[in-house]
Amino acid sequence: NAGVTQTPKFQVLKTGQSMTLQCAQDMNHNSMYWYRQDPGMGLRLIYYSASEGTTDKGEVPNGYNVSRLNKREFSLRLESAAPSQTSVYFCASTLHGTNTEAFFGQGTRLTVV
Amino acid sequence: QKEVEQDPGPLSVPEGAIVSLNCTYSNSAFQYFMWYRQYSRKGPELLMYTYSSGNKEDGRFTAQVDKSSKYISLFIRDSQPSDSATYLCAMKGPGGSYIPTFGRGTSLIVHP
Repeated sequence: NAGVTQTPKFQVLKTGQSMTLQCAQDMNHNSMYWYRQDPGMGLRLIYYSASEGTTDKGEVPNGYNVSRLNKREFSLRLESAAPSQTSVYFCASTLHGTNTEAFFGQGTRLTVV
Repeated sequence: QKEVEQDPGPLSVPEGAIVSLNCTYSNSAFQYFMWYRQYSRKGPELLMYTYSSGNKEDGRFTAQVDKSSKYISLFIRDSQPSDSATYLCAMKGPGGSYIPTFGRGTSLIVHP
């Protein structure tokens, strides 16, 4: 049982480049989330998807877009990367939005130079 | 002021010590209180959760919630070097307010 899988694990981008972070879960969860984690800032919610077909902005959505491709997959896109987007990105899922336990992926370490 | 405040540490203790990790919060609507453990270069994992006020014990770990003071704690007894990690508190409200709000995390180092 893989849980939540994120790809890639590491990425270096140049300013202005675009990329998509992929996330897939195999637990048949309905809700999925994208967070970024920066030193001293904790986890901050970028976007979330309460269920297949819906997405909503979180605390820090600027510069990002998301797609809930199907129930399993939730991708995060950086259209024009900026150094301020250097961070560790985590995807998470819950069975339902009200379910207490979130399962996290291993993270993607992104550096924008 | 952030909704959830957590001292980032680091907190360094000797093996066998009792560890106390704490968070304060400002939103009185929070009802679910969680502690996640995050090892270096890994994703967070749920350690414990508590609904409303009271205590919950799981092995060497005890979670306490004091809603009147808006204060939650995680106690670790007989701490081990394997407990070295970052501990994040998280909280959320009832019903539709289901997105958790995370603290910044406290880095714990247990040295042999």
